Amino acid sequence: GAVVSQHPSWVICKSGTSVKIECRSLDFQATTMFWYRQFPKQSLMLMATSNEGSKATYEQGVEKDKFLINHASLTLSTLTVTSAHPEDSSFYICSARVVPVRDEQFFGPGTRLTVL
Amino acid sequence: AQTVTQSQPEMSVQEAETVTLSCTYDTSENNYYLFWYKQPPSRQMILVIRQEAYKQQNATENRFSVNFQKAAKSFSLKISDSQLGDTAMYFCAFMKMNRDDKIIFGKGTRLHILP
Repeated sequence: GAVVSQHPSWVICKSGTSVKIECRSLDFQATTMFWYRQFPKQSLMLMATSNEGSKATYEQGVEKDKFLINHASLTLSTLTVTSAHPEDSSFYICSARVVPVRDEQFFGPGTRLTVL
Repeated sequence: AQTVTQSQPEMSVQEAETVTLSCTYDTSENNYYLFWYKQPPSRQMILVIRQEAYKQQNATENRFSVNFQKAAKSFSLKISDSQLGDTAMYFCAFMKMNRDDKIIFGKGTRLHILP
């Protein structure tokens, strides 16, 4: 089946540092990847849509300079949280869309970010 | 804009019972997908069932079935013979039939299956 991995699975960092989270589609090519943030006991909120080889499209209210997204290949997208602060602590989940067109997204296992 | 509403924040049922989770949505689109996702304590999102809006027949996956009422914009999930492993957060979700479009999630229903 379609597998999506995320690395790291959890990370603790100091306030002011930057953290990079990787999302990989392991056995398929994904032209589109999505990044979500999930606060405790809440739903998934889409942060941005990432298309291979082009700039990400950010949802309203998401700071593009703070959450840098790079989708350099058909199997890898990265999310960098720059100058992280405690309020950025959350669970970050990526998903990838299967190519050719198959309207289903496969989700990664998520990354728990804790900013001290 | 599309919205997805789940009116039951939390539910509990006894093991082996049947439970129905409610979901309504709002859209002006005619072609779209509806999903139910399960998020167990591991936080891994798992697709439970999907429904294409153009299909009149309700989708079924083993113990999971939906009641899709397109005119009423309703999409409920029925879990039969519930099992302890069904304990999880369940999200109803909507997606337009567009190659690059995004999934919109409801707020979720936390389901507890009691032994």
